[in-house]
Amino acid sequence: EAQVTQNPRYLITVTGKKLTVTCSQNMNHEYMSWYRQDPGLGLRQIYYSMNVEVTDKGDVPEGYKVSRKEKRNFPLILESPSPNQTSLYFCASSLRRTPDTGELFFGEGSRLTVL
Amino acid sequence: GQQLNQSPQSMFIQEGEDVSMNCTSSSIFNTWLWYKQDPGEGPVLLIALYKAGELTSNGRLTAQFGITRKDSFLNISASIPSDVGIYFCAGQWYQGAQKLVFGQGTRLTINP
Repeated sequence: EAQVTQNPRYLITVTGKKLTVTCSQNMNHEYMSWYRQDPGLGLRQIYYSMNVEVTDKGDVPEGYKVSRKEKRNFPLILESPSPNQTSLYFCASSLRRTPDTGELFFGEGSRLTVL
Repeated sequence: GQQLNQSPQSMFIQEGEDVSMNCTSSSIFNTWLWYKQDPGEGPVLLIALYKAGELTSNGRLTAQFGITRKDSFLNISASIPSDVGIYFCAGQWYQGAQKLVFGQGTRLTINP
């Protein structure tokens, strides 16, 4: 089954404790992206990657890191989480290097709480 | 950057009613998209619009790409319980590369 898989789905952590949210897609997609969803703000892009070893900042990159060492994986790293990073996070992928059709395939989401 | 204003933010309707929501912007987009997020799930693409004036249907859903390229609307006819969720518009434009921005979402609640 074609899918984007995120882990963990739920996580409660404390300020400053490094964490990684993994994302993996099995559709051989070139483009991958991370979004955060907050009430009243919709989906805001954190980072994106157009291909292996190619990553770029989205609209809200502060406090996050990503890497794209393999085509299928695009982990999101919070080196020192803070409470304002409490949010619902989505990984998404698209077939082409840039989502020129706008058609993104989303994972099920990872709800992160930072105390 | 580009911004979208999506309205209404929430809707409470009775089953069987029609629903209308829209997105507006001061900027021009070359593609408009509508996504739906079911509770506990990620967004899923419903409709994509590629030309100004385009009107596209997907079952009970109808969406239009505004003539000015600055707006889009989504209508749902004869709502049913499974229509519950959050609907997001998204606009795409070219700035060195294709860019995508999402609206704030419309949360739809249906009373049976």
